[in-house]
Amino acid sequence: AQSVTQLDSHVSVSEGTPVLLRCNYSSSYSPSLFWYVQHPNKGLQLLLKYTSAATLVKGINGFEAEFKKSETSFHLTKPSAHMSDAAEYFCVVSDRRGGSQGNLIFGKGTKLSVKP
Amino acid sequence: KAGVTQTPRYLIKTRGQQVTLSCSPISGHRSVSWYQQTPGQGLQFLFEYFSETQRNKGNFPGRFSGRQFSNSRSEMNVSTLELGDSALYLCASSSEPSGSKNIQYFGAGTRLSVL
Repeated sequence: AQSVTQLDSHVSVSEGTPVLLRCNYSSSYSPSLFWYVQHPNKGLQLLLKYTSAATLVKGINGFEAEFKKSETSFHLTKPSAHMSDAAEYFCVVSDRRGGSQGNLIFGKGTKLSVKP
Repeated sequence: KAGVTQTPRYLIKTRGQQVTLSCSPISGHRSVSWYQQTPGQGLQFLFEYFSETQRNKGNFPGRFSGRQFSNSRSEMNVSTLELGDSALYLCASSSEPSGSKNIQYFGAGTRLSVL
């Protein structure tokens, strides 16, 4: 079965410093991986996706993630945090078989706080 | 193009009542999935519909049901509400069903409070 683990439930950074949100996945075959962001009282917005093309994926708002098969990781980074980046971030793996877990399997989320 | 629309945005119900939530997908999308989000359990898959047929179902009791209409709009129903059903219910639409590399686009959700 596929699964995803977000290694930090909460990350706090200062504005202008780099952001690193860590995600490890488990998959028996080549996965599709996504990062979604959720601002307070809002739905989920797709930041970026990996679907077996380039291993370094660029997303919106300056975020990018690198797929590392050997480490089964898909960490999300941004060079310089902005106050508006404060939100909850979800690492997601796509289970192409569907089933009781559904198409998307979500990590528990990482809350990013940005200090002025 | 309009995004995924969920109505209502907020609902307050009492235990034992039933509730119906609505989701209008992005125009042209035929797949609609529903998720429940709670602080304790995170995001959990409820069910998926494609072309009016339920394709997948999560591990929820039979009190949770759904359907999809010919225009791809979907409703989910929860009967005999329990306090633990208080959650944010998210709907997502995509152009293809699960099993592909398609992206799911999410609505803003319906926040259900059961008193």
